[in-house]
Amino acid sequence: DAKTTQPPSMDCAEGRAANLPCNHSTISGNEYVYWYRQIHSQGPQYIIHGLKNNETNEMASLIITEDRKSSTLILPHATLRDTAVYYCIAVNFGNEKLTFGTGTRLTIIP
Amino acid sequence: DSGVTQTPKHLITATGQRVTLRCSPRSGDLSVYWYQQSLDQGLQFLIQYYNGEERAKGNILERFSAQQFPDLHSELNLSSLELGDSALYFCASSVTDRGYEQYFGPGTRLTVT
Repeated sequence: DAKTTQPPSMDCAEGRAANLPCNHSTISGNEYVYWYRQIHSQGPQYIIHGLKNNETNEMASLIITEDRKSSTLILPHATLRDTAVYYCIAVNFGNEKLTFGTGTRLTIIP
Repeated sequence: DSGVTQTPKHLITATGQRVTLRCSPRSGDLSVYWYQQSLDQGLQFLIQYYNGEERAKGNILERFSAQQFPDLHSELNLSSLELGDSALYFCASSVTDRGYEQYFGPGTRLTVT
């Protein structure tokens, strides 16, 4: 699976959009980008995934650049409950495991 | 609530002992995954079972073993426990054997003294 790089921490004001970047410059054509988050010692929570098109669900939007070397997870109206560690993972469907990195610790500030 | 249940929530035991952690997947999910999260190692994949059979192995020690029963619940057995085994142990489930959309349980916090 391709390696991903995320900033270690970010702050965002409550009510604003939180934009979390992820670099995956070595991603291959059949690797998907998955996002999970972990709220303080709880089990990780699946957020969204995509291959090359932008995706949106009730939790977030995922924007993947045309060259697929980077992506951005967008939480449109961040709340205090969105404070968590966010993990960006490149997944090759030929491999059966998720490999979690160190993620981005997002803090929502009142 | 993900629908995945884990018991016990907390476990304190001594070095050299053996413990069993239990996981019940979401209704309809056939795959169960076990992960270990310690402060210095992050979230590490241990092992996956699909419909009763072992499907993938990660960084699981030989002292650890797992199984998935016909009713699809799974148990993770940890033996000859060491201080370094103290960690959060998460179980996750997914519908298929290629389930990257996994649903995690609340975890079992194991403390080895």
